[in-house]
Amino acid sequence: DAGVTQSPTHLIKTRGQHVTLRCSPISGHKSVSWYQQVLGQGPQFIFQYYEKEERGRGNFPDRFSARQFPNYSSELNVNALLLGDSALYLCASSFPSYETQYFGPGTRLLVL
Amino acid sequence: GENVEQHPSTLSVQEGDSAVIKCTYSDSASNYFPWYKQELGKGPQLIIDIRSNVGEKKDQRIAVTLNKTAKHFSLHITETQPEDSAVYFCAAQNTGNQFYFGTGTSLTVIP
Repeated sequence: DAGVTQSPTHLIKTRGQHVTLRCSPISGHKSVSWYQQVLGQGPQFIFQYYEKEERGRGNFPDRFSARQFPNYSSELNVNALLLGDSALYLCASSFPSYETQYFGPGTRLLVL
Repeated sequence: GENVEQHPSTLSVQEGDSAVIKCTYSDSASNYFPWYKQELGKGPQLIIDIRSNVGEKKDQRIAVTLNKTAKHFSLHITETQPEDSAVYFCAAQNTGNQFYFGTGTSLTVIP
């Protein structure tokens, strides 16, 4: 079975732009979580979605938003990009929202 | 919210020796503690996990122990091999189903 997939793998944007990151969970998994990982740090929780509803939100500004589609794939949107948004964005999926999370390879975002 | 601390930040061991990484957490209601291995340029990979109703779990060369009273848990890798070299993260899941990660331990196994 395919694992969690994310696209694109790398992305370069300039300050003020908008970005959309995509995630497809493991087949059968209904929950998707998004994390931001700054170089040298552990992943930091951004959002969790389960059955298309937001189940949790981390301490991130409103410039960050997400949604989950009927096929359980998900998008993370970031508006008005700042240099500090440069990071590896990770998506993790799990069957119910409280079970073991499996991570994708991430999208590396560079904001110039 | 939950706060997870992880030590050491870097660890070098000779091949064949054991490696131990320790984490503490603050929320006594946290009930699930996974460990992830992250290699350069890749996403974290689950290597072992433990739930709050268990004190120890072992999978071949990897073991995890949990002390709920002291609110700390540890990863033990025995007979280390060069391919064990990576960054290891501990995490704790609270009752809100959110995961909180430690800051990572960079493990280097010297051949």
